[in-house]
Amino acid sequence: GQQVMQIPQYQHVQEGEDFTTYCNSSTTLSNIQWYKQRPGGHPVFLIQLVKSGEVKKQKRLTFQFGEAKKNSSLHITATQTTDVGTYFCAGMSQGGSEKLVFGKGMKLTVNP
Amino acid sequence: NAGVMQNPRHLVRRRGQEARLRCSPMKGHSHVYWYRQLPEEGLKFMVYLQKENIIDESGMPKERFSAEFPKEGPSILRIQQVVRGDSAAYFCASSRRQGDTGELFFGEGSRLTVL
Repeated sequence: GQQVMQIPQYQHVQEGEDFTTYCNSSTTLSNIQWYKQRPGGHPVFLIQLVKSGEVKKQKRLTFQFGEAKKNSSLHITATQTTDVGTYFCAGMSQGGSEKLVFGKGMKLTVNP
Repeated sequence: NAGVMQNPRHLVRRRGQEARLRCSPMKGHSHVYWYRQLPEEGLKFMVYLQKENIIDESGMPKERFSAEFPKEGPSILRIQQVVRGDSAAYFCASSRRQGDTGELFFGEGSRLTVL
């Protein structure tokens, strides 16, 4: 079945640093979404990418959808302590049932 | 406009008992998803439902687990004869309609502990 993999699983950065996390799907996607879950909280939608090669920015966050629509990346610049949480990518396969399959997440901790 | 409502927020059951988790989607949303999350793990897809119809239950264990979304009332995830391995957070999410590739709105989750 469809699998979504995220790397790295854990990321620890110093406040102010930049970093990138990656998401890879075993199948071609119709769209990919990113969610953030704070400790003890529930996932909250961040963004959706639909077009091949699409790039979207939200303040310090930059999201990219690969040309083949099988991978995505999230780049955070100047990391802040408020960025702490787990970031999930989730993909919907083309021609599937429209279920959204989540990766295992990337847990971010920030050293102030 | 109330968000996705889940109850109970916390549920404690002894092995062999039944657990019923409820989810009321956002107003205007006719599609519901259930996900299970173990501590420090990702969100594992369980089932995707429309009112009175199961669209995809490929993530549901074959035994003891069932889900429904009746015409009236909340969606219910039912776990019979619970075992310790069922302890997890169960999240419900809703979306507007099939074919809507927009965001999922998640509830705050129901945390099941099996003693």
